Amino acid sequence: AVQLVESGGGLVQPKESLKISCAASGFTFSNAAMYWVRQAPGKGLEWVARIRTKPNNYATYYADSVKGRFTISRDDSKSMVYLQMDNLKTEDTAMYYCTADAFAYWGQGTLVTVSS
Amino acid sequence: DIQMTQSPSSMSASLGDRVTITCQASQDIGNNLIWFQQKPGKSPRPMIYYATNLANGVPSRFSGSRSGSDYSLTISSLESEDMADYHCLQYKQYPLTFGSGTKLEIK
Repeated sequence: AVQLVESGGGLVQPKESLKISCAASGFTFSNAAMYWVRQAPGKGLEWVARIRTKPNNYATYYADSVKGRFTISRDDSKSMVYLQMDNLKTEDTAMYYCTADAFAYWGQGTLVTVSS
Repeated sequence: DIQMTQSPSSMSASLGDRVTITCQASQDIGNNLIWFQQKPGKSPRPMIYYATNLANGVPSRFSGSRSGSDYSLTISSLESEDMADYHCLQYKQYPLTFGSGTKLEIK
């Protein structure tokens, strides 16, 4: 069965950095575009980033709200996808979900709280 | 950016009712739209792909349709397990954008 397991969330102060991870299994990871989607407490869903596959040069795409601060990456050898978050702001507080296969599969999320 | 205007933001309906939720796209997105269901404390679940195609395992009482720039999710006969938040997502153009969500409650 497909599994996506996020980790690395926590409480950080504004302007700090955090890297969250997503471990994938149950499908051919190297063939799948991967995404991060977030949801602030009590709010709707917001797409954050996408990374394509090796044949597509691992092209990346970002929401305007995180461009220049967040970096999505992947390690196909480990079936992992990452989100490096720099210069965090209070408005980045959210549950961060990893999702794959055109949003067919979702992890359980990891909570990132940015607060002083 | 493409704006997805979702309505209503919340609604209450009785068991057996026909329920319709709509997303209006600010630009042409073709049929590049997904509907998600999200229950409290859970991850989103895709219900409808490419505006009208039922995802695997989704009950046939759910359907998707399009009229111009308006995309609708319809539940033909509401059941208690359908109580959830519903979200639309356009993936025609970056940045990908979600609607603001609809909270569906059972009367």
